[in-house]
Amino acid sequence: SQQGEEDPQALSIQEGENATMNCSYKTSINNLQWYRQNSGRGLVHLILIRSNEREKHSGRLRVTLDTSKKSSSLLITASRAADTASYFCATVGAQKLVFGQGTRLTINP
Amino acid sequence: DAGITQSPRHKVTETGTPVTLRCHQTENHRYMYWYRQDPGHGLRLIHYSYGVKDTDKGEVSDGYSVSRSKTEDFLLTLESATSSQTSVYFCAISAGTTLTYEQYFGPGTRLTVT
Repeated sequence: SQQGEEDPQALSIQEGENATMNCSYKTSINNLQWYRQNSGRGLVHLILIRSNEREKHSGRLRVTLDTSKKSSSLLITASRAADTASYFCATVGAQKLVFGQGTRLTINP
Repeated sequence: DAGITQSPRHKVTETGTPVTLRCHQTENHRYMYWYRQDPGHGLRLIHYSYGVKDTDKGEVSDGYSVSRSKTEDFLLTLESATSSQTSVYFCAISAGTTLTYEQYFGPGTRLTVT
């Protein structure tokens, strides 16, 4: 399966700390996308990284991609209470998004 | 939610009844998708559309059909609802293929089949 698998499944940190989530996948990809989902809401796109890119930044977000290890990481710096959410990686191969099961991030005040 | 609405937002129905969920967009995007989200499975693609009257199956299409007669509307029909179809259903849209473009999601429909 091409499905991405996030690690850890749950992460709880103090406000102001950095949060790192990892995603591993099994087959070659065209790009990899990260999404956030707040409780009871739809998913929100965070960042897209193409297979020929190694790192991408967007505000407090930093995404890396290592195609040789078939893995990606999402770093959120200086976390805030509003970052509490589930984070999903989604891999793109045959023109379809395949989602992992997500990492549940809790930011404690 | 990027100009995407879903209706109804909540529905309870009985096993064996037909159910239709509606997704409406105001973005004039070509691609539209239906997903279901279940604990332990993440989001799984049911069907998608790449244009009016152009649809294709996703990972979990059995028991579901779709129709798209207008750019702005994408309907998901459960022909005869079963308890295994109890789930949260999300519609998504995209300006282009997932090879290049991100998807924008609607607020979801919580469906309970009793």
